[in-house]
Amino acid sequence: GESVGLHLPTLSVQEGDNSIINCAYSNSASDYFIWYKQESGKGPQFIIDIRSNMDKRQGQRVTVLLNKTVKHLSLQIAATQPGDSAVYFCAETSNAGGTSYGKLTFGQGTILTVHP
Amino acid sequence: DSGVTQTPKHLITATGQRVTLRCSPRSGDLSVYWYQQSLDQGLQFLIQYYNGEERAKGNILERFSAQQFPDLHSELNLSSLELGDSALYFCASSEVSGIGGYTFGSGTRLTVV
Repeated sequence: GESVGLHLPTLSVQEGDNSIINCAYSNSASDYFIWYKQESGKGPQFIIDIRSNMDKRQGQRVTVLLNKTVKHLSLQIAATQPGDSAVYFCAETSNAGGTSYGKLTFGQGTILTVHP
Repeated sequence: DSGVTQTPKHLITATGQRVTLRCSPRSGDLSVYWYQQSLDQGLQFLIQYYNGEERAKGNILERFSAQQFPDLHSELNLSSLELGDSALYFCASSEVSGIGGYTFGSGTRLTVV
């Protein structure tokens, strides 16, 4: 039969607006979270990370918020630019009580489109 | 350039064939991860190697295998290829702890015809 592509959530904003991308994670044992940006034809690119002992972390134009109670992450992009248009993924992992983190489990992704 | 090098960038092959994808991790990174990205499955973890040894396995088919060599480069071998194996295959590497993120290569686009 015909294959159906993954239907990703989409967010469309105007240049200069702030964008908020949300992600629900599944594993309550996850204690390290990363946001990635993926442009067409390229590999995922690291944006910002946060460990579970924090609930907010800021970078350049980006902020990540973590709510462990409801297992929710968000990525806020300030003054969104056309170059921010991409697919954004959250990823989670756990060190399972050890000293290093293991495989990343990715969310489904959100397509961000920024209109000039 | 992320520092993770994947070759080839594109590969077109016929059903039933075998291919090898290659990954050179970022300098100093001991862990290598392989991911498959298809339209209907998103980014799926296949397998992880750490300093030459298999560390974790995801939903990797028995037709697929991987290894990491003493120079830390890794190869993903895909055999008895099927149309459904067409996808982007990414390699990522990380330092020992994993903190600071995992760096991805630009991927190999495999098309099985």
